[in-house]
Amino acid sequence: DVKVTQSSRYLVKRTGEKVFLECVQDMDHENMFWYRQDPGLGLRLIYFSYDVKMKEKGDIPEGYSVSREKKERFSLILESASTNQTSMYLCASSFSGMGDTGELFFGEGSRLTVL
Amino acid sequence: GQNIDQPTEMTATEGAIVQINCTYQTSGFNGLFWYQQHAGEAPTFLSYNVLDGLEEKGRFSSFLSRSKGYSYLLLKELQMKDSASYLCAVKDSNYQLIWGAGTKLIIKP
Repeated sequence: DVKVTQSSRYLVKRTGEKVFLECVQDMDHENMFWYRQDPGLGLRLIYFSYDVKMKEKGDIPEGYSVSREKKERFSLILESASTNQTSMYLCASSFSGMGDTGELFFGEGSRLTVL
Repeated sequence: GQNIDQPTEMTATEGAIVQINCTYQTSGFNGLFWYQQHAGEAPTFLSYNVLDGLEEKGRFSSFLSRSKGYSYLLLKELQMKDSASYLCAVKDSNYQLIWGAGTKLIIKP
């Protein structure tokens, strides 16, 4: 069974803390993504990666950074958490083959609350 | 700007049929996805349309009209487990996904 696993389902952090969200996929996918999901808004892309050690900014990268040291792992880092980063964070991966639709496989999500 | 519109919420009766619409204005088009997301869970893939017409998959069908910038997801023989949010997403000219805010579907007995 294909799987994208996010390290924490629920986190509560204080303003200014450094936060790490880990994501691991077991499908040997090249592409990995970090989204945030807020009520009334569509998924918003924070960062994505098409290969190891490669990263690209999405639509809302400010306040975030990422790391992809291994193909299966994509980490999202909040250097100094702020209350407006309270959200649901979704990791996803996809295959990058010819003719592939680009279907995304999502993790269960990490709900972060910043106090 | 790029925009995906879907109704915020819909209500339907168990056993009935419901159609969830999605209209889009994007810079280019390279396919449209529908995902299902139960509360507190990950979105899961339902369908993908890149050519005009209807794609049928069991109780679920998805339709696309590229000239009208329009798609719908049709759910037949509704079951209580179909209560979920349904997300429409379009792949633009840069192959990036643009997401709608989702339609929350409530099924009543």
